[in-house]
Amino acid sequence: GAGVSQSPRYKVAKRGQDVALRCDPISGHVSLFWYQQALGQGPEFLTYFQNEAQLDKSGLPSDRFFAERPEGSVSTLKIQRTQQEDSAVYLCASSLLGGGGNGYTFGSGTRLTVV
Amino acid sequence: GIQVEQSPPDLILQEGANSTLRCNFSDSVNNLQWFHQNPWGQLINLFYIPSGTKQNGRLSATTVATERYSLLYISSSQTTDSGVYFCAVEHGFNKFYFGSGTKLNVKP
Repeated sequence: GAGVSQSPRYKVAKRGQDVALRCDPISGHVSLFWYQQALGQGPEFLTYFQNEAQLDKSGLPSDRFFAERPEGSVSTLKIQRTQQEDSAVYLCASSLLGGGGNGYTFGSGTRLTVV
Repeated sequence: GIQVEQSPPDLILQEGANSTLRCNFSDSVNNLQWFHQNPWGQLINLFYIPSGTKQNGRLSATTVATERYSLLYISSSQTTDSGVYFCAVEHGFNKFYFGSGTKLNVKP
């Protein structure tokens, strides 16, 4: 596609509910990243994929967070048993090459509110 | 991890004014990008600038990697420039660290 597409745009979840956030990167982009942006803060790294391989998941805040990219294109970030502190905007970005040499393109994000 | 500091945190300008935003980082970096986050939350890539100077219309950026800082210049500001400007540096492989941003409000 022309850009990075994320869905849903907004998600309200009750505490304890599981959620799944989708990212459709730019066609042909090898690298895919997930970031979490709390209100008033800069985005923070969660995880990175190169094709279908998850090469870095050091930023995932707990084992309730899980990301996958099974076919090397679309990625899903899953949060189990959501907590109020999970409320944030979740941003997906993709990059053409394995390194950041061409820069990132970000999606519009999914705003998750846990009530 | 690396520290990324942006200044000023908030900036109010009258339309037509010029401004300089600064990004300091605490360690060597592989890459650096400037982003504009519009009021709808979209992060727009402004510059990919690990070193040197680039210009794009009313915006320009300079990174002095050896001194660990980058500057974003906005000339003849417009109301559409309002939003938050983020500096992000790549430290390590494929991991970008963002500053806390400069919130710009351009008044008509």
